[in-house]
Amino acid sequence: DTGVSQDPRHKITKRGQNVTFRCDPISEHNRLYWYRQTLGQGPEFLTYFQNEAQLEKSRLLSDRFSAERPKGSFSTLEIQRTEQGDSAMYLCASSPTSGRGNEQFFGPGTRLTVL
Amino acid sequence: AQTVTQSQPEMSVQEAETVTLSCTYDTSESNYYLFWYKQPPSRQMILVIRQEAYKQQNATENRFSVNFQKAAKSFSLKISDSQLGDTAMYFCAFMKQRGGADGLTFGKGTHLIIQP
Repeated sequence: DTGVSQDPRHKITKRGQNVTFRCDPISEHNRLYWYRQTLGQGPEFLTYFQNEAQLEKSRLLSDRFSAERPKGSFSTLEIQRTEQGDSAMYLCASSPTSGRGNEQFFGPGTRLTVL
Repeated sequence: AQTVTQSQPEMSVQEAETVTLSCTYDTSESNYYLFWYKQPPSRQMILVIRQEAYKQQNATENRFSVNFQKAAKSFSLKISDSQLGDTAMYFCAFMKQRGGADGLTFGKGTHLIIQP
């Protein structure tokens, strides 16, 4: 399977703990996106990477959130001091910069539950 | 800022019927892309169909077609000969034509149920 993968698929944590999620995009894709999806809503954009550079960050990405994409390959999203309001599905997507560059391919998501 | 509105939280039709999902959007951009994504239960989101705003011709992909009305800022999805596997959440999404840096803006989705 050469699609976008995310790990873990599910994470349960206690309020105040730190969590880290990983996304492995499709190998030739330069663009990588993180979204957050809460129950009954569409995904909301969090941040965008082109290669290793983080070029856009949404206002939703508070100071407790940090994302990296070292070497322009996989990406990590860390949430520090988790709150119950952070409970959501975190989706990663990737796309190429040429060809159908505006089509985003989504991973299965990481479902976070903060108790 | 862009907004995307899907006014039908849920729709249910019989297998083989045709169904139309509505989407309106608001933007001051003149160049952009519109998408319909499908999210089956417990499965990942996949692209159904896309439309470039500069193209007047409506996009079609097999049983799926759109009615793109740029002046009205309307982008509806028609599914013909619906199948049980079409049961899913459907999201309408907007993206500026700015190299993809802004990400997608999604609507709240329509839960489509195909009844046997």
